[in-house]
Amino acid sequence: DGGITQSPKYLFRKEGQNVTLSCEQNLNHDAMYWYRQDPGQGLRLIYYSQIVNDFQKGDIAEGYSVSREKKESFPLTVTSAQKNPTAFYLCASSYKGGNYGYTFGSGTRLTVV
Amino acid sequence: DQQVKQNSPSLSVQEGRISILNCDYTNSMFDYFLWYKKYPAEGPTFLISISSIKDKNEDGRFTVFLNKSAKHLSLHIVPSQPGDSAVYFCAASIVNSGNTPLVFGKGTRLSVIA
Repeated sequence: DGGITQSPKYLFRKEGQNVTLSCEQNLNHDAMYWYRQDPGQGLRLIYYSQIVNDFQKGDIAEGYSVSREKKESFPLTVTSAQKNPTAFYLCASSYKGGNYGYTFGSGTRLTVV
Repeated sequence: DQQVKQNSPSLSVQEGRISILNCDYTNSMFDYFLWYKKYPAEGPTFLISISSIKDKNEDGRFTVFLNKSAKHLSLHIVPSQPGDSAVYFCAASIVNSGNTPLVFGKGTRLSVIA
């Protein structure tokens, strides 16, 4: 079955460490996205990529980095520069075009300890 | 500057009654709208969508209404069931935008009381 997989489900990070969240899709979607969800804040866009080897900053990109070396993969690195990284992170993918909805992964809960 | 607004953070409805979730938008260029449903600790799942050329789209218990002049859409769930308890996100896009991302509202938490 086609789908989008995020791993790990739960991640704990010490302050000052970088961590990488994985996102893989086998839907042959062109575009991939990273969102962050905080209570009362809805879904805020971190980064997105419409094509391999290209990506754009979203609304809250500071302290995060991404790469898109393969169509299927869009890992997100939360760097030590992100001041408040504890959140629920969601990856999504879609075909190109504004009338295609997104398929979301099941999310990664990151906690800074 | 929120382009998509869900002004009710939460809503409680009795089982069997109608749930009405509202969404307003400010960008008149938006021409495609979607609703997503999200359970805790899970990713959102697509529920229903509507193009701006329509004013209503129905799928089983779920109906979305679009009022372009008011820049308002609503999701009706009839009858409401306990399993509908979730956070609902409204999203908007511009179909020929050159692939700009969906714009999401902040969500409305629906509680269906048995």
